[in-house]
Amino acid sequence: GENVEQHPSTLSVQEGDSAVIKCTYSDSASNYFPWYKQELGKRPQLIIDIRSNVGEKKDQRIAVTLNKTAKHFSLHITETQPEDSAVYFCAASAPGNTPLVFGKGTRLSVIA
Amino acid sequence: EAQVTQNPRYLITVTGKKLTVTCSQNMNHEYMSWYRQDPGLGLRQIYYSMNVEVTDKGDVPEGYKVSRKEKRNFPLILESPSPNQTSLYFCASSSRGRTSEKLFFGSGTQLSVL
Repeated sequence: GENVEQHPSTLSVQEGDSAVIKCTYSDSASNYFPWYKQELGKRPQLIIDIRSNVGEKKDQRIAVTLNKTAKHFSLHITETQPEDSAVYFCAASAPGNTPLVFGKGTRLSVIA
Repeated sequence: EAQVTQNPRYLITVTGKKLTVTCSQNMNHEYMSWYRQDPGLGLRQIYYSMNVEVTDKGDVPEGYKVSRKEKRNFPLILESPSPNQTSLYFCASSSRGRTSEKLFFGSGTQLSVL
């Protein structure tokens, strides 16, 4: 089955700097790659997703890139703000009756 | 308001005492799933259901049961809880019976088994 590796497990950046979180996946059939943000004490919420027919997607300060050949995808946050501090999870799924598999998460701290 | 409702929010129990965590969604979603979240281990899937009367094991199904008799409800049952099941549990749902859609999570259930 699918295996998703996520790095780094913790990341600290200065406010205003950029943050990058990377994930690799094992199943070449995977075609959907969402990112979830979980603030302290809250539920995970979808922030951005990308499908395998697209190489990059942006939403304001957040972008996701996908390299199907290398089987990795990344989350990029620019101009980080304290409210970006949270745990971020990547995930991957293949078509059909297969579940979404999550990475272990990255705890991002934005230092003011 | 579209939502996934989980109850209870907090639960403290003792080893061996059967318990049920309820999950209900009002979005007519086909797909529902249970996860447990432990420090350093991320979100691990326990069971999932693609539609009514269809359930499948996730990565960590041992010690858990589920049922999907109605589309909106997907309860998680611990027949004989043990301390290693102390964890934060999330129910989630999505549309069209496929996982490649946005997952809506419940607010979580913090379970402590003594």
